[in-house]
Amino acid sequence: DVKVTQSSRYLVKRTGEKVFLECVQDMDHENMFWYRQDPGLGLRLIYFSYDVKMKEKGDIPEGYSVSREKKERFSLILESASTNQTSMYLCASSFGLSSNEQYFGPGTRLTVT
Amino acid sequence: AQTVTQSQPEMSVQEAETVTLSCTYDTSENNYYLFWYKQPPSRQMILVIRQEAYKQQNATENRFSVNFQKAAKSFSLKISDSQLGDTAMYFCAFKVSSGSARQLTFGSGTQLTVLP
Repeated sequence: DVKVTQSSRYLVKRTGEKVFLECVQDMDHENMFWYRQDPGLGLRLIYFSYDVKMKEKGDIPEGYSVSREKKERFSLILESASTNQTSMYLCASSFGLSSNEQYFGPGTRLTVT
Repeated sequence: AQTVTQSQPEMSVQEAETVTLSCTYDTSENNYYLFWYKQPPSRQMILVIRQEAYKQQNATENRFSVNFQKAAKSFSLKISDSQLGDTAMYFCAFKVSSGSARQLTFGSGTQLTVLP
């Protein structure tokens, strides 16, 4: 079974703090993704990575950065957290280019106060 | 750019009944994939069913089937013999099959509640 894990299920941070969200997958997938999930908006792609040290912006990259130093790990960084970044963050991974499904982690519910 | 629309934010169905969730999409691409994902309460999102646009036959997975109407750009999910464990948020998603595309575009989701 593919396993995608995220470092925290719940996280509370203060405005202005630097926040790291970690994601690890154990299936040697090339592609990894960070989504933000908000009610009524579905999932929106923040960033994705198709190889180590490679990244591409998604639909809403502003205020976020990412790091992929190892194939199995993909980090999402909020350089200076703001209250409008309070959300559920989902990590996913997939293999190859075509129709392969994405495997999701359990999500991190981040609250910025 | 692709868009995916789920017009039913919430639905409910009695246990053992059949329910259909709607999804429409907009694209100028001819080759693509469509997916339904399920997100149970406090659990990980999982793939329910996948449809290749070039296949005319509708995909089925046990109690789950789709009605894919390419010309109408419609991709509905039918759940037969609904079970309590089907209670979840359901997302329709779209992906082009060309080039280096890896991104999924998701709809806003439909919260399905199965009532005992």
